[in-house]
Amino acid sequence: AQSVTQLDSQVPVFEEAPVELRCNYSSSVSVYLFWYVQYPNQGLQLLLKYLSGSTLVKGINGFEAEFNKSQTSFHLRKPSVHISDTAEYFCAVSDPGGYNKLIFGAGTRLAVHP
Amino acid sequence: KAGVTQTPRYLIKTRGQQVTLSCSPISGHRSVSWYQQTPGQGLQFLFEYFSETQRNKGNFPGRFSGRQFSNSRSEMNVSTLELGDSALYLCASSFDYNEQFFGPGTRLTVL
Repeated sequence: AQSVTQLDSQVPVFEEAPVELRCNYSSSVSVYLFWYVQYPNQGLQLLLKYLSGSTLVKGINGFEAEFNKSQTSFHLRKPSVHISDTAEYFCAVSDPGGYNKLIFGAGTRLAVHP
Repeated sequence: KAGVTQTPRYLIKTRGQQVTLSCSPISGHRSVSWYQQTPGQGLQFLFEYFSETQRNKGNFPGRFSGRQFSNSRSEMNVSTLELGDSALYLCASSFDYNEQFFGPGTRLTVL
């Protein structure tokens, strides 16, 4: 069975500092990997996705993530955060043959301070 | 294109009642998935519908059911509501397996 572990439940950071949100997954098959962001009282917005190919994936709002198969990780990074990046971030995995069933991690709350 | 819409946005019900939530996918999307989000259990997959057929199901009791209509709109129903059913219910639509687009959710409160 697939599972996703987000290693930090909360990450405080100062504005303009770099940030890394960590995600590890467990799967016996190849996977698709996703990062979603959720702002208060809203649904989920896709930041980026890894399906195949280049292991460095660039997404919206200056975020990027690197797929590391040997480490089974898909960490999210941003070189300089803004106050507006304060939100909940979710890592998710799906089985390419499993249709549209996403398995989510518990989430990481990113709090950007001035 | 209009995004995924969910109605109603907020609902308050009492234990034992039943509830129906509605989801309209993005035009052209034939897959609709439902997720439950709670502080304790996080985001959990409920089920997916594609072309009016349930294609995938999560580990939820039979009180949770859904359906999809020929225009791809979907409804989910929860019968005999329990306090633990209080949650944000998210609907997502997809054209293929590569990306799901989420609606704003329906927040259900069971008293």
